[in-house]
Amino acid sequence: NAGVTQTPKFQVLKTGQSMTLQCAQDMNHEYMSWYRQDPGMGLRLIHYSVGAGITDQGEVPNGYNVSRSTTEDFPLRLLSAAPSQTSVYFCASRSRGWGVQYFGPGTRLTVT
Amino acid sequence: ILNVEQSPQSLHVQEGDSTNFTCSFPSSNFYALHWYRWETAKSPEALFVMTLNGDEKKKGRISATLNTKEGYSYLYIKGSQPEDSATYLCASPNNNDMRFGAGTRLTVKP
Repeated sequence: NAGVTQTPKFQVLKTGQSMTLQCAQDMNHEYMSWYRQDPGMGLRLIHYSVGAGITDQGEVPNGYNVSRSTTEDFPLRLLSAAPSQTSVYFCASRSRGWGVQYFGPGTRLTVT
Repeated sequence: ILNVEQSPQSLHVQEGDSTNFTCSFPSSNFYALHWYRWETAKSPEALFVMTLNGDEKKKGRISATLNTKEGYSYLYIKGSQPEDSATYLCASPNNNDMRFGAGTRLTVKP
């Protein structure tokens, strides 16, 4: 199993550009989440999904969209990038219940 | 406590020292408490998932305890080694997903 994969690993955007961060998992997990990691702030939840076709907002959803058309994929879209979105983004998945959460390798995004 | 809080924020110890840090979490509607180890330039990896009051888990030199009634968990590292240097995160469920603390950054000097 590849676990949780994310692409790209690094990205530089200009203010106002849009892009999609890809996330996929091959563990048949129902729950998937996107977090951003900023210095001194730990991991903050952007959006999450409890199953295909179901998504919900986390702590910091503004400026991001998600969709979950399949169990495996959970892309994160930045609609109009802003410097405040410069961060490291982690995708995670887990099975039903409150067991271990598995993280992807992260995407480091810089918005200039 | 509405959020998950960790202390201290950072810790510097000498190789061989034993150390511990704290995670505080909302004690009402408790489901689970997770500990993750997060090395620089990598992604967080699970250490422990704890669900029962009084639970104690151990993995090698690392152990953790849980008090769900008062809402805290301790992580202990016995005889710290340089390879233990990492950020240690705790997390507790909040509605439908996990709420993470800001982490304790541990540096072990040789």
